[in-house]
Amino acid sequence: EIVLTQSPGTLSLSPGERATLSCRASQSVSSSYLGWYQQKPGQAPRLLIYAASSRATGIPDRFSGSGSGTDFTLTISRLEPEDSAVYYCQQYGISPFGGGTKVEIK
Amino acid sequence: QVQLVQSGAEVKKPGASVKVSCKASGYIFTDYYVHWVRQAPGQGLEWMGWINPKSGGTYSVQKFQGRVTMTRDTSISTAYMELSRLRSDDTAVYYCVGDYFDSGSYYNGLGYWGQGTLVTVSS
Repeated sequence: EIVLTQSPGTLSLSPGERATLSCRASQSVSSSYLGWYQQKPGQAPRLLIYAASSRATGIPDRFSGSGSGTDFTLTISRLEPEDSAVYYCQQYGISPFGGGTKVEIK
Repeated sequence: QVQLVQSGAEVKKPGASVKVSCKASGYIFTDYYVHWVRQAPGQGLEWMGWINPKSGGTYSVQKFQGRVTMTRDTSISTAYMELSRLRSDDTAVYYCVGDYFDSGSYYNGLGYWGQGTLVTVSS
C-alpha cells in the first residue's frame, strides 16, 4: 500500500504570503492520479487539484500543484483569509489520504 | 447541477449494521464511479473504496473488506454503503463522492461530495 506523508503538520502564515505544502509518497505515484483537497471546518472537502497540476473548475489560480514520482507540492501563492483549512493529498482510487496539513492565517 | 444527497444521521449499537444512501442527480449516474470516504471526529479523511454504478463492481480497502458492502440501484440513481459489525471507532461522518468530470470529460479526482452522514456507534 502506498503511504502519503504530508508536511508540515501545521503552517501558520500571514495574508499575502506564499504557502508550500508537501506530499511525499512511499513509492512512485502516477501524476495522473494525484489530487489535492481542501476542507474547511464543518464542511465537506473540495477538490482543488487533479492530475497533480490541473485546477478543478472554479478554483482560483493562486492554487497550483506540481511534482512527480514521489514528491508533490501544493502552492498557495498569495494567502487569503478564506484559505484557512486543512489540505489533503490522495492518489485517486488507490491509496489512503495523506494525514493533512493545517493552514492557519495569522 | 451535480448533487449527491445522503440519508440522515444514524445512531447504532455496537455489533449492528448501518446502511447509508447517496442519491445522485444532475448527471448520468452510471457514467462515473461513486466513492465512500469517512472522517472520525477530529481526524483526517479515510478512503473506503468505490463502486462502479454501471457494472456494480466494487473495490474496498483491506481494512474494510468483509465488513463493507457497496451496492447501487440504477433505477433511482442511488448508491448505498452498508457497514456491519459496527464498533465505537466506526463513529464518523461518512461521505459519498462522485468522480470529477467537466464538459463531458472524466478526470481522476473526487469531485462531487455529498453532505455527509453522521453515524454514531454507542451502547
